[in-house]
Amino acid sequence: QVQLTESGPGLVHPSETLSLTCTVSGFSLTGYSVYWVRQPSGKGLEWMGRMRYNGDTSYNSALKSRLSISRDTSKNQVFLKMNSLQTDDTGTYYCTRATSGYNLFDYWGQGVMVTVSS
Amino acid sequence: DIQMTQSPSSLSASLGDRVTITCRASQDIGNYLTWFQQKPGKSPRRMIYGATNLEDGVPSRFSGSRSGSDYSLTISSLESEDVADYHCLQSIQYPLTFGSGTKLEIK
Repeated sequence: QVQLTESGPGLVHPSETLSLTCTVSGFSLTGYSVYWVRQPSGKGLEWMGRMRYNGDTSYNSALKSRLSISRDTSKNQVFLKMNSLQTDDTGTYYCTRATSGYNLFDYWGQGVMVTVSS
Repeated sequence: DIQMTQSPSSLSASLGDRVTITCRASQDIGNYLTWFQQKPGKSPRRMIYGATNLEDGVPSRFSGSRSGSDYSLTISSLESEDVADYHCLQSIQYPLTFGSGTKLEIK
């Protein structure tokens, strides 16, 4: 059974660093890429970045200077770190998976709500 | 970056109505277009992939089509459970970009 579960702090102070974990089960991180997508409250979806199945990463250029994605395949976990958080980073953060071609984002985590506030 | 212009931003329709939501791509994206449904407080759910392929388990009243750079999601007969936000996504080029979303309500 495929599952993705995001975890992390619900509250982050401005200028601090956000650290999130996506724990997966039912599939291998060496067979699927994991993507991070966020959604500001009441707004649309934004692709943030991805950890490819082979360990490569790519990032949305709008966030690239602040964002880092890594993984621990032995723990089936993918990590997101984003620094210099501001209030407009408030929203729900999701992880989801993809293989290739059209086969992307078939399973999503439940999302984690992050509020940036002092 | 490829812009996905989604319309309408909101839509109110009656039960049984035929409903169409459209995304227009600013560049050629082939059939690299996915539609998602998102109910309040829930994660997105993939409905259509490859522009026209229905995800397993999705009711057959949903369909996807393409005409040039316009991609459409159609619900042939609206049901109450279809109330949700709908999003399109292009995946031919990075950065991946979503449409701005459509809020579908019952009139």
